[in-house]
Amino acid sequence: QVQLVESGGGVVQPGRSLRLSCAASGFTFSNYGMHWVRQAPGKGLEWVTVIWYDGSNKYYADSVKGRFTISRDNSKNTLYLQMNSLRAEDTAVYYCARKGTTYPAFDIWGQGTMVTVSS
Amino acid sequence: SYELTQPPSVSVSPGQTASITCSGDKLGDKYACWYQQKPGQSPVLVIYQDSKRPSRIPERFSGSNSGNTATLTISGTQAMDEADYYCQAWDSSSHVVFGGGTKLTVL
Repeated sequence: QVQLVESGGGVVQPGRSLRLSCAASGFTFSNYGMHWVRQAPGKGLEWVTVIWYDGSNKYYADSVKGRFTISRDNSKNTLYLQMNSLRAEDTAVYYCARKGTTYPAFDIWGQGTMVTVSS
Repeated sequence: SYELTQPPSVSVSPGQTASITCSGDKLGDKYACWYQQKPGQSPVLVIYQDSKRPSRIPERFSGSNSGNTATLTISGTQAMDEADYYCQAWDSSSHVVFGGGTKLTVL
C-alpha cells in the first residue's frame, strides 16, 4: 500500500546535527513533490520545506533556512532532511508528506519521527 | 508572511452542524485544504481545492472558500469527528501555510 515511513529522530544537543529519512513505497516516488512538516509538542502544524519531484527546486520556511537541507534519492525512494545547528525550538514531531496529483494537497503522511533538542 | 487564523476551539452537539473558519487576506483567491488530526495520529486530508472530498471521506464533510474566509462544515457531527482541524493554503507556488488549528469538541 501507499506508505511513508520516517526514521532518524532522537535526542540531540543544541548546536548538533541530525538527519531524518522518509522511505516511500506503493507509488512512483519520482513523480511527486515531497514536503516536511513539523509539530511541536501540543502545538499546531508548521510547514518546513519542499523538494520538487526531480529535486530541481527546494524551498524552506524562514525558521529553518540556512540550517536545514532537504534532498531526495529517487533511486532509493527516499526523502531526507539534514538538520544542522539545531535549537530547542526545533523540538517537534517531523512528518514527511506527499503532495498528491489526484488530490493536490498533502494526501499521504508518514507516522512522524520525534526530534528532541536538549542538553 | 501570509497568515491563516482559526478559532482555537469549536463545540457542537452530536447530530448538529459544526462550522470551522479559516481567515486570511484574500484567501478566496487561493485554494484551501483541511486536515483532521486525532490525538497521537498523523493528519488526514478531508477537503482539498476548497470544497472537494477525497473518496474515503464521508459526505458530511464539506468546504467553501470566498473572500477572506474558508469554512469547513461537518453536517450531522458524530463523536468520531472530535479532533483537531487545520486549514492550509499555498502562499506562493511552493510555500505552504497552515492555520493554528481548531479543536472540535462533540459534547
